[in-house]
Amino acid sequence: AQKVTQAQTEISVVEKEDVTLDCVYETRDTTYYLFWYKQPPSGELVFLIRRNSFDEQNEISGRYSWNFQKSTSSFNFTITASQVVDSAVYFCALSVGISSGSARQLTFGSGTQLTVLP
Amino acid sequence: NAGVTQTPKFQVLKTGQSMTLQCAQDMNHEYMSWYRQDPGMGLRLIHYSVGAGITDQGEVPNGYNVSRSTTEDFPLRLLSAAPSQTSVYFCASSYDGGLYNEQFFGPGTRLTVL
Repeated sequence: AQKVTQAQTEISVVEKEDVTLDCVYETRDTTYYLFWYKQPPSGELVFLIRRNSFDEQNEISGRYSWNFQKSTSSFNFTITASQVVDSAVYFCALSVGISSGSARQLTFGSGTQLTVLP
Repeated sequence: NAGVTQTPKFQVLKTGQSMTLQCAQDMNHEYMSWYRQDPGMGLRLIHYSVGAGITDQGEVPNGYNVSRSTTEDFPLRLLSAAPSQTSVYFCASSYDGGLYNEQFFGPGTRLTVL
């Protein structure tokens, strides 16, 4: 069975601080993908990034960066110089194949509520 | 493109009532799915479909039915609503069922069962 743990339920920072959101996953599959989604107060989930299990390169996109470490089964997300608009719930998700068919099973973590104060 | 649309946005039901949550996408995606979001539990998969005429159960299918008669539409039916089905429901679609495909989500339906 797959599992995604986001131990930080809520994080509050002051604008311009850096913040890291933790994600730890469990799977026995050797091929899988990891995702981060953002859910702003408007409610709609927005895709941020994907990483496959064979690519441990870290990635930076503007103020966002992701650190993928298979050795610790972690896929952490860092926001540099946070802004009020970053306030949202952030979900980490794990995608693995379903043995009975071609579709994948997507397992979400419970989410981290990030509040950036002005 | 409208993306993924859901109706209604809000709904209040009484225990035992039935209703259908509508979901449509205009991106010609093969894969569609329904999730429910409950506090502290993230999103849990209810049902999914890998194409028209094909559906399967997810993690929490009890009390829900789905059908996929067209590529565009994937309605979710609550057969006899229960208070435990109070939740926010999201419909999502992706190009196909591949591991790598990101999902596009609708705006959600907030359902309250009294």
